Amino acid sequence: EAQVTQNPRYLITVTGKKLTVTCSQNMNHEYMSWYRQDPGLGLRQIYYSMNVEVTDKGDVPEGYKVSRKEKRNFPLILESPSPNQTSLYFCATASYEQYFGPGTRLTVT
Amino acid sequence: LAKTTQPISMDSYEGQEVNITCSHNNIATNDYITWYQQFPSQGPRFIIQGYKTKVTNEVASLFIPADRKSSTLSLPRVSLSDTAVYYCLVGLYNFNKFYFGSGTKLNVKP
Repeated sequence: EAQVTQNPRYLITVTGKKLTVTCSQNMNHEYMSWYRQDPGLGLRQIYYSMNVEVTDKGDVPEGYKVSRKEKRNFPLILESPSPNQTSLYFCATASYEQYFGPGTRLTVT
Repeated sequence: LAKTTQPISMDSYEGQEVNITCSHNNIATNDYITWYQQFPSQGPRFIIQGYKTKVTNEVASLFIPADRKSSTLSLPRVSLSDTAVYYCLVGLYNFNKFYFGSGTKLNVKP
């Protein structure tokens, strides 16, 4: 079954404590992307990766890092989380259409 | 990056046809138009994609006029389970940046 998995699904953390949200896909897609979703703002793209060698910023990359060392994984890294990064995060992969993961709800206190 | 404008919300009744229009005045020549559906706390799900004229699949139709500055998603005979947020996206077929916008919240009433 084609899947995009994210871990953790829920996370409560404190300001400044580094965290990583993992994303993995089993569809052998080149393209992967991260989005955040906030009430009233819709989905906004954080970073995307065209393939293992190429990553680039989306609309809201500040405060985030990504890593694409292998095709199936695309972790999102928050080096020093702040309360304004409290959000619902989605990872996606694509060939023709985008397939989204189940989401990670992050709360930074 | 082409941005999109959609109505914030729409109401409909079960069994009706619903048409949601999206404006994308700055669409580029190589951009495709894609629509997604999202239920609360779930990731968006692909509905349909097109480049021009009309595309139809088992769940929806997509109408794109010749100037491609807008598009209309048509949902035939909606049911309560079609209550969701619908997003119109414009982007390259081979993918890079995508702008989702705020979407259209469709409320289907019995």
